[in-house]
Amino acid sequence: EPEVTQTPSHQVTQMGQEVILRCVPISNHLYFYWYRQILGQKVEFLVSFYNNEISEKSEIFDDQFSVERPDGSNFTLKIRSTKLEDSAMYFCASRQGGSTGELFFGEGSRLTVL
Amino acid sequence: AQKVTQAQTEISVVEKEDVTLDCVYETRDTTYYLFWYKQPPSGELVFLIRRNSFDEQNEISGRYSWNFQKSTSSFNFTITASQVVDSAVYFCALSEVGHNAGNMLTFGGGTRLMVKP
Repeated sequence: EPEVTQTPSHQVTQMGQEVILRCVPISNHLYFYWYRQILGQKVEFLVSFYNNEISEKSEIFDDQFSVERPDGSNFTLKIRSTKLEDSAMYFCASRQGGSTGELFFGEGSRLTVL
Repeated sequence: AQKVTQAQTEISVVEKEDVTLDCVYETRDTTYYLFWYKQPPSGELVFLIRRNSFDEQNEISGRYSWNFQKSTSSFNFTITASQVVDSAVYFCALSEVGHNAGNMLTFGGGTRLMVKP
């Protein structure tokens, strides 16, 4: 069964460092998302991406964040200069087309900022 | 703006008990989707169900059932004869339809279910 894969599963970084989280969405999906879950809290929307551009973003997704689909298969989330409060589980998701498609989530990448 | 509220932050039951997880939502849209996801201790999000706003039929899948009541803006989830493996955090989520490519999910705060043997 096709699935969304994310790497790394866990990354530890120092405050101020750049981090790139990678996702490989399901191959025929057109819409891509990043969500974040701070430990013990709810899952929050960060950004959606379609047709090679951001379609929506939340207030969390500030200038420190960027997304890219560099090669037609990977979908990356970059945090330019990490802060302690960026420590969270980051989930990538993708869906097919239309308005009814179910989101398929990856297993998440846990980011720990020290 | 849309909002999902799961008033129960934590529920503890003994195996074989039935348990209902509550979900109440707010949205201005007339067309929307409601979801339930399970997050086991390993951390991934497991899709359980999607329900669209036009379909108020209740649904049963094995030991799981869902009660959608548009009049009270609720989408409750019942696990019958709970098992230890049901222990997880359960999230209710809402997606408004109508954005060109959005359909972003708004999640509730989650309910941690602990099923004791």
